[in-house]
Amino acid sequence: ELKVEQNPLFLSMQEGKNYTIYCNYSTTSDRLYWYRQDPGKSLESLFVLLSNGAVKQEGRLMASLDTKARLSTLHITAAVHDLSATYFCAVGKEETSGSRLTFGEGTQLTVNP
Amino acid sequence: DTGVSQDPRHKITKRGQNVTFRCDPISEHNRLYWYRQTLGQGPEFLTYFQNEAQLEKSRLLSDRFSAERPKGSFSTLEIQRTEQGDSAMYLCASSPGGRAQYFGPGTRLLVL
Repeated sequence: ELKVEQNPLFLSMQEGKNYTIYCNYSTTSDRLYWYRQDPGKSLESLFVLLSNGAVKQEGRLMASLDTKARLSTLHITAAVHDLSATYFCAVGKEETSGSRLTFGEGTQLTVNP
Repeated sequence: DTGVSQDPRHKITKRGQNVTFRCDPISEHNRLYWYRQTLGQGPEFLTYFQNEAQLEKSRLLSDRFSAERPKGSFSTLEIQRTEQGDSAMYLCASSPGGRAQYFGPGTRLLVL
């Protein structure tokens, strides 16, 4: 059974600081996603990572994937208050599961002024 | 911009009643997924369709739950004889094959 673990689960940081959220998964997968969720809202797709060594960046967020270590990271650079949200990683495998996603528990990020 | 839409957005019902939710995917997306999310947790997979065929169901989907996608477009998720444990956010997502899934706004269900 595929398991996805994120850490930390709660992260409080100051504006301007850098931090990294980690996502480990238990079995091989061929795609990894990062989503953002604001309170009471649905999920917004941030990144799709499809191959080992993939790196994608959007604004202050950068995601990377190491399939050998079964690890993805979401790096936050010079955090701003608007980044406060819950971030989920999710893993899918097309061949055996039609890409249904298995999500981590989420990392609740709070950026303080 | 016509993203995934879901109806209703909120539903309050009494235990034992039946409820039905609707999801309209992004047009031309052949895959449609249902997930359930409880407070403080990530979404959990329930079922998915490729066109009108229901290809996989989670063990979470008890026999009180049924989903359909009759013409390969919109989908419905019905819960019969609701229980308080069914209270959750029900999320629908669609994708054009095995690519990024785009989520709808969700239906928040409260069973009293």
